[in-house]
Formats: sequence, C-alpha cells, structure tokens
Amino acid sequence: LAKTTQPISMDSYEGQEVNITCSHNNIATNDYITWYQQFPSQGPRFIIQGYKTKVTNEVASLFIPADRKSSTLSLPRVSLSDTAVYYCLVGDNTSGTYKYIFGTGTRLKVLA
Amino acid sequence: EAQVTQNPRYLITVTGKKLTVTCSQNMNHEYMSWYRQDPGLGLRQIYYSMNVEVTDKGDVPEGYKVSRKEKRNFPLILESPSPNQTSLYFCASSPSKQGRLEVNTEAFFGQGTRLTVV
Repeated sequence: LAKTTQPISMDSYEGQEVNITCSHNNIATNDYITWYQQFPSQGPRFIIQGYKTKVTNEVASLFIPADRKSSTLSLPRVSLSDTAVYYCLVGDNTSGTYKYIFGTGTRLKVLA
Repeated sequence: EAQVTQNPRYLITVTGKKLTVTCSQNMNHEYMSWYRQDPGLGLRQIYYSMNVEVTDKGDVPEGYKVSRKEKRNFPLILESPSPNQTSLYFCASSPSKQGRLEVNTEAFFGQGTRLTVV
C-alpha cells in the first residue's frame, strides 16, 4: 500500500528557505507526487505536483530524485502566513483504482 | 467560481439522530470523496466515488453511507451518529478519465463541516 512519511513538525524563521522531505518507498510507476497546504479549519489547498526531477511554480519548488522514493517541497523565503500543515500525497494504485491517501502531514511554524 | 460547497459548516446533534451533510461541486468532476480529520490522525478517507452510481469504501467507512445519484452531489449520511464520529469533515472533487482518477490533477476541497455528536 502506497504510504508517505513526513516529519511531524518543523520550525523556521521568516525569510528562510524551508525544505520538507517526504518518503514514499512504494510509489508506483504511474503515480504523481502532490503537495497540499492546510490552514486551521480550512480544506487542503493544492500547492504543487510533479512526476520526476524538478518542478517550480510561483509558490514552491518540488525536487524528486531519479528513484522517486522521496520528494522535497521547498518554500523560498517563508513568511508568517506560511504557517500551516503540509501534506505529501501519492496516488494509491494497489487496489486497481486510484485514490488519494493523506499522511499526518508536517506542521510548519514560521517564527518572526 | 470553481468550488466545492459543503453544508452545514457546523452541526451539533445527539446520538442516534440521523443526519446528512451535503456536498456539491460545480466543476463537472467525476471523482468525489469524503474525509474526516481528527487531531493527530490527519485526513482519513471515508468513501469515494469514481462516477455517478459508483461508490467505494475508503479507510474508515464504518458508520457512514454515501450516494451519488448526480455527478455534482455527494452527500454523506450518518444513519445513527455516535460521539466517536465527532470530527471535522471535508468533501473533495477531482477530474478522472475513463473511470480512473487522474492523480496528476488537483483535488478541490470544501471548507469543511465541524460535527459534534453528544
């Protein structure tokens, strides 16, 4: 069963770059890696998605090594408003149908 | 505006009193799902639906029912709620192709329903 492992929490200071790594040893060939952000009492919000190498958008970068067994979400120059829980997802194809599986996420706290 | 709408946002009910939480999406997505979120446990999938009249159990389906009579709606039904179903619930939708969820697409989440069963 596809499963992700992330650090439970991280602290950072404003203006720093934050890297959150996710382990997904059982990722399947067709799976993409997706990261979501969640603020308290709100639904998760899509941040970035990738299949291999590096993907960058206006919010973050996603680094995926060749074996795809892990990925790293990079948030450049974080601000207080980036304090949230970050989830790494891969598709679960073990049952023949895809479904999203969320782990417990990484709680990022940005300090002034 | 593309969105997933859940109602109600907050609900307090008593044990055993049937309730329904509605979910509607305006993006013509085939895939819809329900999650519950509890402290320390993250988001856990309850049920999902790949298309109209096609539903399947997620990781924690006990005590819940769903239906998918129309593409846009995916209500969550608690026939006899119990206190252990007190939680924050989220509905989500996403496109799929040929009945299979495209995991390389974005899922859209509703704003959540905070349910308290006393």
